[in-house]
Amino acid sequence: QVRLQESGPGLVKPSQTLSLTCTVSGDSINSDNHYWSWIRQPPGRGLEWIGNIYSSGGTNYNPSLRSRMTISVDTSRNQFSLNLNSVTAADTAVYYCARAVRIAVKRGYFDHWGQGTLVSVSS
Amino acid sequence: SYELPQPPSVSVSPGQTARITCFGDALSNQYAYWYQQRPGQAPVLLIYKDTERPSGIPERFSGSRSGTTVTLTISGVQAEDEADYYCQSTDSSDTWVFGAGTKLTVL
Repeated sequence: QVRLQESGPGLVKPSQTLSLTCTVSGDSINSDNHYWSWIRQPPGRGLEWIGNIYSSGGTNYNPSLRSRMTISVDTSRNQFSLNLNSVTAADTAVYYCARAVRIAVKRGYFDHWGQGTLVSVSS
Repeated sequence: SYELPQPPSVSVSPGQTARITCFGDALSNQYAYWYQQRPGQAPVLLIYKDTERPSGIPERFSGSRSGTTVTLTISGVQAEDEADYYCQSTDSSDTWVFGAGTKLTVL
């Protein structure tokens, strides 16, 4: 059974860097058939795709966040991570990691999600 | 504004049929996917590739397409179906996009 678990600080100060890690169990992050993704949801609002990473390290980022973010993968630990710098209150959200089924280059859908972790940006 | 508009809310009585639409240019040549999100929970995949249902999803959930409009249909709505529903696709710049979400209320 595939499981994803987010971990990281629940509180980040403005202008600092938000760092989250997703630990995957029940599947190899080296899978050729999947992307590994981050999605966020501000309180009371809808879902926003952040970006994907492939096992080879190839990435696809949301243009609105691209200048501030990096997604990386650690195949030895079966984990992938998100760094988002220069955060503001607008980055306060529940952050989800997810596995995406790859149906074509840069195309797919999310079939397994982590439970989500709330990250608040506040001084 | 969202690239995949959805109605903000839909209300139905138990046993009736609910239909939630999603449309946009992003759907002109890309598949649509649907997710259910109950309060305080992570989203769950309901429909993939417009019409396919993952194992474990009840048959009352179905998807269809007409041009650039896709529809999630819930037949015989149950109280447990009260949730937010999101469509998802990919736009022409390889950005994965979600619809604004539709809140389904079971009266």
